[in-house]
Amino acid sequence: NAGVTQTPKFQVLKTGQSMTLQCAQDMNHNSMYWYRQDPGMGLRLIYYSASEGTTDKGEVPNGYNVSRLNKREFSLRLESAAPSQTSVYFCASSGQLRSSYEQYFGPGTRLTVT
Amino acid sequence: GEDVEQSLFLSVREGDSSVINCTYTDSSSTYLYWYKQEPGAGLQLLTYIFSNMDMKQDQRLTVLLNKKDKHLSLRIADTQTGDSAIYFCAERPGKLIFGQGTELSVKP
Repeated sequence: NAGVTQTPKFQVLKTGQSMTLQCAQDMNHNSMYWYRQDPGMGLRLIYYSASEGTTDKGEVPNGYNVSRLNKREFSLRLESAAPSQTSVYFCASSGQLRSSYEQYFGPGTRLTVT
Repeated sequence: GEDVEQSLFLSVREGDSSVINCTYTDSSSTYLYWYKQEPGAGLQLLTYIFSNMDMKQDQRLTVLLNKKDKHLSLRIADTQTGDSAIYFCAERPGKLIFGQGTELSVKP
């Protein structure tokens, strides 16, 4: 089991460019999440998908879009990158195999927008 | 609204106990979690506690929950240099709300 995988690991964009961050999980989890991590602010939820075919906004959705392509994959798109989107992005998934609903995290994508 | 607060830094000597504290606001949380993040890596679940428990022990880790004061703590006994990391508490009133993280530095 690879768990949660993310690509790319690093990315540098110019202001106004677009890109898609990819995430996949092989644990048959229903729910998937995108967070951003900024110094001193913990993790903030951008979007989540409680199940295949559904997506909902989290705490900081502006400037992002998501697609739950199938049960395994959940992508995050930046249509027009801004320097304020420089951050580390984490994808996570959770299931109901254990009642604690613990989330499993990917290794992160470090994005710099210049 | 929902909020989780942690102190940002803790420094201890190797072999001492570490206590990381967290306060939360949502009394409907069913589970509370402690995650560990090592440098350059994602978060890994360390332990969790169900809201009807006061204490949970797991090897060197002890979690204490005071529901009346909405206070959660993580005690690491015999702290080692490998425990140096950022520790996040999180609550779940539906979807995870994370604290800012406490950076634990263990000095030899």
